Amino acid sequence: GENVEQHPSTLSVQEGDSAVIKCTYSDSASNYFPWYKQELGKGPQLIIDIRSNVGEKKDQRIAVTLNKTAKHFSLHITETQPEDSAVYFCAARLFSSNTGKLIFGQGTTLQVKP
Amino acid sequence: EAGVTQFPSHSVIEKGQTVTLRCDPISGHDNLYWYRRVMGKEIKFLLHFVKESKQDESGMPNNRFLAERTGGTYSTLKVQPAELEDSGVYFCASSFINEKLFFGSGTQLSVL
Repeated sequence: GENVEQHPSTLSVQEGDSAVIKCTYSDSASNYFPWYKQELGKGPQLIIDIRSNVGEKKDQRIAVTLNKTAKHFSLHITETQPEDSAVYFCAARLFSSNTGKLIFGQGTTLQVKP
Repeated sequence: EAGVTQFPSHSVIEKGQTVTLRCDPISGHDNLYWYRRVMGKEIKFLLHFVKESKQDESGMPNNRFLAERTGGTYSTLKVQPAELEDSGVYFCASSFINEKLFFGSGTQLSVL
């Protein structure tokens, strides 16, 4: 069945360093890959997304890369700041799906140490 | 602009009781979704409404769960009777198209 694996489960970096979170999806028909950030007491917030016809997308300090052949996609955060500390979720959606059904990864808890 | 609103934020009930969760989507969003996160695991899809119609309910665990969306506006998710394994955080989300979902803060449900 559809599956998204996310690694690592926890990540601790020093302020100013870069952080990378990786996801692998199982269904090659997936065509949309969003990343969500969840802060304590809040719901997941969309921070960046990418479609399968694009290999890379950037938005200020965050970027997402997609390797369709390997079925991998990654989130890159540069110049990390303490406010980047949160749980990050990757997700994938099937091309054939006419619904909003997203398959989520297990989440990565990012801690940025001042 | 108001975001997706969910209430209650927390609910503690005993096994066998009934609980109803409510979600108010962003105004103008025809698409409304329910997701659930059980402790430490991934966020799982429950169902998707387009206006008042159920587009996809493939993620609903069993017939103890009933979702409705009256008039294509707010939605309710009822669990009756609740079981211990139903504990978790229930998220509602809405969107204009089938991408860029906006999530609410969730309802933390504890079944004792």
